[in-house]
Amino acid sequence: AQKVTQAQTEISVVEKEDVTLDCVYETRDTTYYLFWYKQPPSGELVFLIRRNSFDEQNEISGRYSWNFQKSTSSFNFTITASQVVDSAVYFCALSEGVLSGGSYIPTFGRGTSLIVHP
Amino acid sequence: GAGVSQSPRYKVAKRGQDVALRCDPISGHVSLFWYQQALGQGPEFLTYFQNEAQLDKSGLPSDRFFAERPEGSVSTLKIQRTQQEDSAVYLCASSLLHKNTEAFFGQGTRLTVV
Repeated sequence: AQKVTQAQTEISVVEKEDVTLDCVYETRDTTYYLFWYKQPPSGELVFLIRRNSFDEQNEISGRYSWNFQKSTSSFNFTITASQVVDSAVYFCALSEGVLSGGSYIPTFGRGTSLIVHP
Repeated sequence: GAGVSQSPRYKVAKRGQDVALRCDPISGHVSLFWYQQALGQGPEFLTYFQNEAQLDKSGLPSDRFFAERPEGSVSTLKIQRTQQEDSAVYLCASSLLHKNTEAFFGQGTRLTVV
């Protein structure tokens, strides 16, 4: 069974602070995929990143960076120099891989609400 | 349109009423997912289609919930005899291939059962 834990329910920061959103996952598969989505107040889930279990390289995209560590089953997301527009709920998700024959269906964590104050 | 489109955006139903929620996926997307998102929670999986085939419906909470995708494009989620606990946002997502490519989500339908 797959499981995703986002222990931080809500984080409040002041603009320009750096913030890290934690994601810990559980899976018995060796092949799996991890995702981060952003859900602004409008409600639509916006895809941010997809990472497969064989690629542990960290990734940076502008002010966003992701730290994938298989040893601790974590896929944390850092926003550098946060802005008010970053305020949203962020979801981490996991799906098992094709080769394992498992489900392709993403399982989501409960989300972390990020509030960035001006 | 370019994205996943869901209608209606908002639906208020009286308890016991039947409702139908529509999802127009991105053109050419093979996979289609329905999720239910309660207030303050993450999306919970309901059902999955690969083209017109419903490959997984393990997340449907009761036999009052039914989904179809007869021509492999538009999908409808139907809830019969709605109950208050059905109140939630229903999200539809589609992805290009039946692999672990990213899913693109619609804005959801907020269902309120009174």
